[in-house]
Amino acid sequence: DGGITQSPKYLFRKEGQNVTLSCEQNLNHDAMYWYRQDPGQGLRLIYYSQIVNDFQKGDIAEGYSVSREKKESFPLTVTSAQKNPTAFYLCASNLDRNQPQHFGDGTRLSIL
Amino acid sequence: AQRVTQPEKLLSVFKGAPVELKCNYSYSGSPELFWYVQYSRQRLQLLLRHISRESIKGFTADLNKGETSFHLKKPFAQEEDSAMYYCALLSSNTGKLIFGQGTTLQVKP
Repeated sequence: DGGITQSPKYLFRKEGQNVTLSCEQNLNHDAMYWYRQDPGQGLRLIYYSQIVNDFQKGDIAEGYSVSREKKESFPLTVTSAQKNPTAFYLCASNLDRNQPQHFGDGTRLSIL
Repeated sequence: AQRVTQPEKLLSVFKGAPVELKCNYSYSGSPELFWYVQYSRQRLQLLLRHISRESIKGFTADLNKGETSFHLKKPFAQEEDSAMYYCALLSSNTGKLIFGQGTTLQVKP
């Protein structure tokens, strides 16, 4: 689904460094989500936003932060407080919370 | 508690064999369930949702409220069905999707 773009595809972080993952959508969707995908654990929700300028913590929000200043953008910052940041991060969006979510290609974050 | 369980990490079958990927859920309200699929080097995408009651790529899934299950079935597996499959439950009051751990389906020639 070319409507959701995540960048970069691969990202490397040094210890103690914050990094920001980009997620942009041109689907005019109100809701956006960030998930973390780890082998054997499925997808776990980090943060979500139902509308511009509003967002809520998901199940594993510690060590992460987000903003939703524009409808089409929902960047995720992985802070140095996140002790185990190495993972595959997926962004998703939907028109409203009752509709299926559309996913981006993901960003793989690794620690140097 | 709201929870989705996929008991099998890996399911390996031969081409032409029937496939059943298991999914059980725990939810106090009326559940809305989905199956998502992730093929190699492709993004996660919706396969089907129970309210549509449709068959996609030969796959079907029936909601069984008595057994709290939403198993994904296909009568004759194809090699191109090899992928990671996730069962997901929609929490209607928050709009959050709760995913199972995922099952890797491997269809051997």
